[in-house]
Order: sequence, then C-alpha cells, then structure tokens
Amino acid sequence: SQTIHQWPATLVQPVGSPLSLECTVEGTSNPNLYWYRQAAGRGLQLLFYSVGIGQISSEVPQNLSASRPQDRQFILSSKKLLLSDSGFYLCAWSVDGTGELFFGEGSRLTVL
Amino acid sequence: AQSVTQLDSHVSVSEGTPVLLRCNYSSSYSPSLFWYVQHPNKGLQLLLKYTSAATLVKGINGFEAEFKKSETSFHLTKPSAHMSDAAEYFCVVSNNAGNMLTFGGGTRLMVKP
Repeated sequence: SQTIHQWPATLVQPVGSPLSLECTVEGTSNPNLYWYRQAAGRGLQLLFYSVGIGQISSEVPQNLSASRPQDRQFILSSKKLLLSDSGFYLCAWSVDGTGELFFGEGSRLTVL
Repeated sequence: AQSVTQLDSHVSVSEGTPVLLRCNYSSSYSPSLFWYVQHPNKGLQLLLKYTSAATLVKGINGFEAEFKKSETSFHLTKPSAHMSDAAEYFCVVSNNAGNMLTFGGGTRLMVKP
C-alpha cells in the first residue's frame, strides 16, 4: 500500500534562518507531488507541484523553493524565512487522471 | 476555469442532529468533486468523490453528497452528527485530467454535546 511521510512535524525557526521540509512517498511510482500551505484560519494554498524528477511548477511567488531530487522525494526549502512563512505545510501526492490527493500529516512551522 | 465556494465558514450542530455543509462550484467542463476532512493538526483525508457516475455519493463515516448539476452544488450531509465529526471540511473541484484542483475555503464543523 502507498504511504506518505512528511517531517519534521513541528518546527520553530527564527526569522532569516533556512528551512528544509522533506516528504517521501512509498508504494507508487512517478506520482504527482504537491506542497500546500495552510495559514491560520485560511484554506489551502498550492505552493508547488511536480510531475516528475526535476520538474517543479510554482504557483505563488515567494521566498520558498521546491526540489524533487528523486522520483518519490519532494523537498520544500527557504534560504531566509520570513514571519509570514509561518503556517501548516502539507505534502500530497496523486496519480494522473484521478484528481484524488493523498496527504501527509503536515508540518507546523512557526517563525519568530 | 473552475472555482469552489463553501458558503459557511462555520457550522455548529448538536450531537445526533443532521449535518449540512454547503458547496457550490463553477466549471467549464464536467468536473470531478471531492470532500476532504481535516482534524486539528492533521493532514486531509478523503471523505468521498464524485466522478460522473451516480449523483448520490456515499463516503466514509456515514457522510454522503449529492451532485446537482442544475444547481452547481455538491452539498455534504450526514443524518446524525457524532462528536468525532468535529473537524474542518474542504470541498474540492478537479478538471477531467485530475491535475488541476481547486479547494474551497473550508467549513469548520462544531458538534455540541
């Protein structure tokens, strides 16, 4: 069966520090991968999606970046965090043609 | 183009009473529609999905939703609320290829004892 792992679960970082959130998927090949952000009291905002290794599409201009070094690994990064980067980050995967997303447990980032 | 509107940001019901969470969509093609549930500090879990088969879709935990094309609606219902249903619910529309998803703003369901 397919599983998705996302870590760390919680993170408290000072403004200006770097960020790395990692997501891996098991049990499937060539998934579509997504990073969403959920700010307090708001809906989900799609940040990045990837249809294959090295293929990243950005939906929103920001100081975040994403990379897909391996088929089932998706990394969200920042060189210098801003206060506005605080939120709940969700990784998800899907298979083409279904529209159904499978989510990780999320990573709560607090930038102080 | 597609969009989703969840008409209520908060819904409060008493345990044992019916639940109605409203969702309206717009789409220039025949959409797929989904409802997801999110418990606090957790990822989203699929409740049910509509993909152009039966218009009344049954999901997990006793939830169901009816696709009404004439009303462009996909409301989520449950006959009797349980305390464990308290969570945030998201309505989602997808294009035919399943690679473009649009989330509604979410509805927070509160269940009173």
